[in-house]
Amino acid sequence: QSVLTQPPSVSGAPGQRVTISCTGSSSNIGAGYDVHWYQQLPGTAPKLLIYVNNNRPSGVPDRFSGSKSGTSASLAITGLQADDEADYYCQSFDSSLYSPVFGGGTQLTVL
Amino acid sequence: EVQLVESGGGLVQPGGSLRLSCAVSGFTVSTNYMSWVRQAPGKGLEWVSVIYSGGRTYFADSVEGRFTISRHNSKNTLYLQMNSLRAEDTAVYYCARGGDSLRYFDSWGQGTLVTVSS
Repeated sequence: QSVLTQPPSVSGAPGQRVTISCTGSSSNIGAGYDVHWYQQLPGTAPKLLIYVNNNRPSGVPDRFSGSKSGTSASLAITGLQADDEADYYCQSFDSSLYSPVFGGGTQLTVL
Repeated sequence: EVQLVESGGGLVQPGGSLRLSCAVSGFTVSTNYMSWVRQAPGKGLEWVSVIYSGGRTYFADSVEGRFTISRHNSKNTLYLQMNSLRAEDTAVYYCARGGDSLRYFDSWGQGTLVTVSS
């Protein structure tokens, strides 16, 4: 059972927009800790996709965006492409556990 | 260029020990917060341990008392000593830069597989 809750899967057609939610609690996202997102392509290591809620590392297309509000955060992907198929994880910090925490991951399928 | 290269994984019997290494190039391990994150087969990511630049260490409850994290400054290498291994420790172990309340994991290794089985 992950501390942060994500939908197990989402899907969309090429060119469409999808969002992935990440729900936390008052000891993590709701406590003001930042949310970060990672993309894990099949068979590879995770890669930082969004940091500090809504910032993109160099090289990440602006089709990817993040937001945070209250005890939740969201990742939006516009203009879906076939190579966006991957697992996506949100991550924050939990003050009760005093540790980084991840969501359970969301598998994105491009139809 | 930043590179993190893990090694030391393999097959070990329950109750056994294993030491993982993470050789880093492109930045200095001792001045950064360094973590181990694992991923059981077909499962999500789980943070395991962090060593702060000042040397303080923290562990997930699931490994507290069994795992130790350390670093060798002159080798610029991070380690994870794993003792009293259990079947549920079977996972790909990644080293990553980051791991405190402020820092995200901005660089990752390719991972090393640890299988605990008789």
